[in-house]
Amino acid sequence: DAKTTQPTSMDCAEGRAANLPCNHSTISGNEYVYWYRQIHSQGPQYIIHGLKNNETNEMASLIITEDRKSSTLILPHATLRDTAVYYCIVRGYNYGQNFVFGPGTRLSVLP
Amino acid sequence: DADVTQTPRNRITKTGKRIMLECSQTKGHDRMYWYRQDPGLGLRLIYYSFDVKDINKGEISDGYSVSRQAQAKFSLSLESAIPNQTALYFCATSDLKFGGTDTQYFGPGTRLTVL
Repeated sequence: DAKTTQPTSMDCAEGRAANLPCNHSTISGNEYVYWYRQIHSQGPQYIIHGLKNNETNEMASLIITEDRKSSTLILPHATLRDTAVYYCIVRGYNYGQNFVFGPGTRLSVLP
Repeated sequence: DADVTQTPRNRITKTGKRIMLECSQTKGHDRMYWYRQDPGLGLRLIYYSFDVKDINKGEISDGYSVSRQAQAKFSLSLESAIPNQTALYFCATSDLKFGGTDTQYFGPGTRLTVL
């Protein structure tokens, strides 16, 4: 699986958009970009994933650059409940490839 | 995710004891996983199973064993617990979809302390 690089921590004001970057310069053509988050010590929660097109769901938007070497997760209107560690993961679908969780980005949403 | 349950949620045990952590899912997924998380770190894969007859070692399988009793149940055992196995343990499930996506859904976790 490709290695990802994320900032250790970020702050965001409540009600503003939170933009979380991720670099994955060694991503290969069959690897998807996934985002999860973990609130306190709860189980990681799936947010969104994509291959090359931008994606949006009820939780967030995922913007993937044209060369696929980086992506940004956007929480459009961050709330205090969005305070969590956010993990960017790249993963292929070949048999045996599994999720590799790094240290992630600790997002603090401030009142 | 309420569709993935783990028991117990908390467990304190002593060095040398055998411990079993259990995971059940009602999502109907074929694939199941066990991860551990140490304070301040990401998750590391212990074992995974893609169907009832399939068991695979992950990154850190030493000191652990698993059993896939049914599609819905995947148990993790520590044959002789040691203090450095103190961690949060998470079970996850997934189902490979057409086109290759394989989103994992996690249980609430088991906090294990080995004294």
